[in-house]
Amino acid sequence: RKEVEQDPGPFNVPEGATVAFNCTYSNSASQSFFWYRQDCRKEPKLLMSVYSSGNEDGRFTAQLNRASQYISLLIRDSKLSDSATYLCVVNIPTGGFKTIFGAGTRLFVKA
Amino acid sequence: SQTIHQWPATLVQPVGSPLSLECTVEGTSNPNLYWYRQAAGRGLQLLFYSVGIGQISSEVPQNLSASRPQDRQFILSSKKLLLSDSGFYLCAWTPRKGHYEQYFGPGTRLTVT
Repeated sequence: RKEVEQDPGPFNVPEGATVAFNCTYSNSASQSFFWYRQDCRKEPKLLMSVYSSGNEDGRFTAQLNRASQYISLLIRDSKLSDSATYLCVVNIPTGGFKTIFGAGTRLFVKA
Repeated sequence: SQTIHQWPATLVQPVGSPLSLECTVEGTSNPNLYWYRQAAGRGLQLLFYSVGIGQISSEVPQNLSASRPQDRQFILSSKKLLLSDSGFYLCAWTPRKGHYEQYFGPGTRLTVT
């Protein structure tokens, strides 16, 4: 089983739609969680951290479910500019820590 | 504010040639530094990370090496490139303590022919 798993997609949604991505992780000791966005042929950029209580940043909402070991990202009112690959990231304590990136979920938002 | 630079942006090299990619970080000190490779359509593969000058940890055995000659400089090298070395090479940094999110440079797209 992979340490971090994401549905690769692609997700094809119309503008204005709500779309949700899930990401599962295998190590119950995982401590910190993030969502990154990667545009085609560009570097990944931090979208948001994921807090235990859940957090929201504008149209984006991140949730953490420790019992089921998954995190989610909800995008409301999708824009064309949201088209990208979304990477789930998990940090595992190892003395220091080890960062695991998911392979990403591709999103296409169409007019 | 902190910035991270990588160069060159693109590179086309023949098989068997050497490689040197450079990454520098500005506006911070004692960062953790990372080299990743992303093959076309694939996820990120951690190659090396460094917690300080001269301290390099390798994640995947291969014909690449890394060095950190200065606090904010991280270099990825190869003596002889293979076709399989083609990919998108990304440098990232994170503060040493208290923060675990990584910030990426713009990357170097390497094609080995």
